[in-house]
Amino acid sequence: AQKVTQAQTEISVVEKEDVTLDCVYETRDTTYYLFWYKQPPSGELVFLIRRNSFDEQNEISGRYSWNFQKSTSSFNFTITASQVVDSAVYFCALRAWAAGNKLTFGGGTRVLVKP
Amino acid sequence: GAVVSQHPSWVICKSGTSVKIECRSLDFQATTMFWYRQFPKQSLMLMATSNEGSKATYEQGVEKDKFLINHASLTLSTLTVTSAHPEDSSFYICSARFLTSGDTMLNEQFFGPGTRLTVL
Repeated sequence: AQKVTQAQTEISVVEKEDVTLDCVYETRDTTYYLFWYKQPPSGELVFLIRRNSFDEQNEISGRYSWNFQKSTSSFNFTITASQVVDSAVYFCALRAWAAGNKLTFGGGTRVLVKP
Repeated sequence: GAVVSQHPSWVICKSGTSVKIECRSLDFQATTMFWYRQFPKQSLMLMATSNEGSKATYEQGVEKDKFLINHASLTLSTLTVTSAHPEDSSFYICSARFLTSGDTMLNEQFFGPGTRLTVL
């Protein structure tokens, strides 16, 4: 079985603060993909990143950065200098062959950025 | 990226009626489509997976007779909520995947904008 845990249900920050979202996953597969999605109030899922299990390099895209630590089964996401438009629910997800190549979502973390 | 549309974006219906939600892949052929349900302040839960031309595979606990899924073509899948009740009120999201590589793990999955169903 595979599982994704996002321990933080809600984070509230003031604009320009950095915010880090935690994601811990479980899978028996050695080959898998990890994802982060953003779900703004409109409801539509916005794809942010995909990372495969063999690529542990951290990635930075603008104000977003991701830290993949295979040793701790974590794939954390940091928003630097947060903005009000970053307010949304963020989901971490896992896809592995053993689970039928289906996406398993974490519970989500609601980020509220106050002006 | 590829575009997936859903129609309607929202629907309100009376208890006992049936509601059909359409999911279309606009610029690609979807070999596989997924239907998710999301209750307020909760995560997305996979309801079923459907491949074009074959019966859908439902996740444990999802009633196949209540949530009818038809994937008649490579660009269209429909979800029909039969005899809807207030507890079926939810946000339904479809997702489509198409073959881009011989390694199916690499196939991208794209999400529709969702349909908000309210059953009175």
